[in-house]
Amino acid sequence: SQTIHQWPATLVQPVGSPLSLECTVEGTSNPNLYWYRQAAGRGLQLLFYSVGIGQISSEVPQNLSASRPQDRQFILSSKKLLLSDSGFYLCAWRWTGTGVSEQYFGPGTRLTVT
Amino acid sequence: KQEVTQIPAALSVPEGENLVLNCSFTDSAIYNLQWFRQDPGKGLTSLLLIQSSQREQTSGRLNASLDKSSGRSTLYIAASQPGDSATYLCAVRPRGDNFNKFYFGSGTKLNVKP
Repeated sequence: SQTIHQWPATLVQPVGSPLSLECTVEGTSNPNLYWYRQAAGRGLQLLFYSVGIGQISSEVPQNLSASRPQDRQFILSSKKLLLSDSGFYLCAWRWTGTGVSEQYFGPGTRLTVT
Repeated sequence: KQEVTQIPAALSVPEGENLVLNCSFTDSAIYNLQWFRQDPGKGLTSLLLIQSSQREQTSGRLNASLDKSSGRSTLYIAASQPGDSATYLCAVRPRGDNFNKFYFGSGTKLNVKP
């Protein structure tokens, strides 16, 4: 079976500090990978998605970046955090083979920028 | 651009009641529509996925319908229980250039009172 991991689960960082959030998927190969941000009481905002190693599509211009160094690893980064970067960050994957293709989510990382 | 709307934003019902959650989308050119459940502080759990060629899907007490031509989907929950209390989100996967993306509604927060 497939599982998706995110870490850390919670993070408190000062403004201007760097950020690295990691997401890994087990039990599948060549998935599409996604990073979303969810502000309090709101829907999901797609930040980045990747269809393969080194292939990143950015959806929202901001001070965040993403990388996919391995097939099942997706990293969200920032060089200098802003207060507005606070939120709940969710990683998701989608199988790209034939058949039904649902999106599956990780447990999320709660980021508070102080 | 695809826009997804969920009404109402919040709903409170007594235990045992049957209820319907609504999801509407602006562009009918979709691959599928997926319903999720989110508990506070947690990731999203997939409930049902309806392909564009399908009219409905059922899982236990849940039934999701899709009317692609009118841009609507409903999630029917039978005999609601307090454990059903959560936020329910719908997401559409469009056809065309954006087929790798998912567009989410802001969710309906459901409270089932014992």
